[in-house]
Amino acid sequence: NAGVTQTPKFQVLKTGQSMTLQCAQDMNHNSMYWYRQDPGMGLRLIYYSASEGTTDKGEVPNGYNVSRLNKREFSLRLESAAPSQTSVYFCASSEMGGQNTEAFFGQGTRLTVV
Amino acid sequence: AQSVAQPEDQVNVAEGNPLTVKCTYSVSGNPYLFWYVQYPNRGLQFLLKYITGDNLVKGSYGFEAEFNKSQTSFHLKKPSALVSDSALYFCAVVSWGKLQFGAGTQVVVTP
Repeated sequence: NAGVTQTPKFQVLKTGQSMTLQCAQDMNHNSMYWYRQDPGMGLRLIYYSASEGTTDKGEVPNGYNVSRLNKREFSLRLESAAPSQTSVYFCASSEMGGQNTEAFFGQGTRLTVV
Repeated sequence: AQSVAQPEDQVNVAEGNPLTVKCTYSVSGNPYLFWYVQYPNRGLQFLLKYITGDNLVKGSYGFEAEFNKSQTSFHLKKPSALVSDSALYFCAVVSWGKLQFGAGTQVVVTP
């Protein structure tokens, strides 16, 4: 089983460039999440989608946009990358809003903005 | 607003000794609490969860956690630590559909 697949694994951007991080899950989960991980700050929620067609802001949404393309896919877009967005990004999915089921994580995307 | 706190940045323990990783939470309503582990350059892996019922929850790899409502705590424990338990551990809470994490605790188990 592939689980949660993120692409790319690594990316270097110049300030001001745009890019989209892709995420797909094959577990038929309703909920999907995007997090960023920075040293000493744990995982911070950027956006989440409780179901196909819905998205909501998390703790740190500024500078990001998301699209829940279908039940499988949840993409994260940086319209104009900034050095402060250098981080490791994780996508996750869960069955029903994560309340009584665990989330499954992708392997992460290491993004550097120079 | 819901949150979890992990008061220790790092926990050091000798192999064979008991391991405890602390977590306290703040939520309105019933808490849904989780522990995850992250090995270097990997995504997070689920260890265990508390939804309701028995306050002592058993999970993967010999870990367990005790839910304490009066102290709003959900500490992770393992009776006898292994060197392979060295990793980054995260406590998490779900409320209103959002899965939110603590800052993480680095566990270092020395031979």
